[in-house]
Amino acid sequence: DAMVIQNPRYQVTQFGKPVTLSCSQTLNHNVMYWYQQKSSQAPKLLFHYYDKDFNNEADTPDNFQSRRPNTSFCFLDIRSPGLGDAAMYLCATSDRLAGDLGTKNIQYFGAGTRLSVL
Amino acid sequence: SQQGEEDPQALSIQEGENATMNCSYKTSINNLQWYRQNSGRGLVHLILIRSNEREKHSGRLRVTLDTSKKSSSLLITASRAADTASYFCATDGDSNYQLIWGAGTKLIIKP
Repeated sequence: DAMVIQNPRYQVTQFGKPVTLSCSQTLNHNVMYWYQQKSSQAPKLLFHYYDKDFNNEADTPDNFQSRRPNTSFCFLDIRSPGLGDAAMYLCATSDRLAGDLGTKNIQYFGAGTRLSVL
Repeated sequence: SQQGEEDPQALSIQEGENATMNCSYKTSINNLQWYRQNSGRGLVHLILIRSNEREKHSGRLRVTLDTSKKSSSLLITASRAADTASYFCATDGDSNYQLIWGAGTKLIIKP
């Protein structure tokens, strides 16, 4: 089945130690998103790619970087994780080339990576 | 940015009862979606309603949209234990690529 896969599901890192989270998709969607979600809150968009065009949210800390080497893969790099970065990180995709406006807006999520910072 | 609001924040009902969640938003929209999130998992798209629609059904789900009041409701009929999850509404807002998320309603179905 076509899907969005995030690895690892759980990641433990030390304060200040760089960490990379990965996301892959078999949906061939042109847009990929990274969200941060803290307990009982709505997901917060960090950035998104439209194809290779990178779009950073204004309030995303510089500590967060992203790479999208090809359509299928996207990475989230946290250069120096702090305790406040412990959260669930969600990857999502959408098909902006879909002909229907409603279909364009639907996002497909991976299962998430739970990041703990010690 | 998060402009949507949902109520209630939490809802606990008995299995078999109906569950209703409400969502309000601030900007004009093209469509509104509802997503479900099981504990510790990603979000799953449930249903999308367009701005020119007033009601939509999908299985045990019924969504209504009132654009004059900038509000929507999600009704889950004959609830089951497996419906226990958080439910989020999301609107398309001003950006073509981004969704504006509500704060979510945590639904607990008691057996």
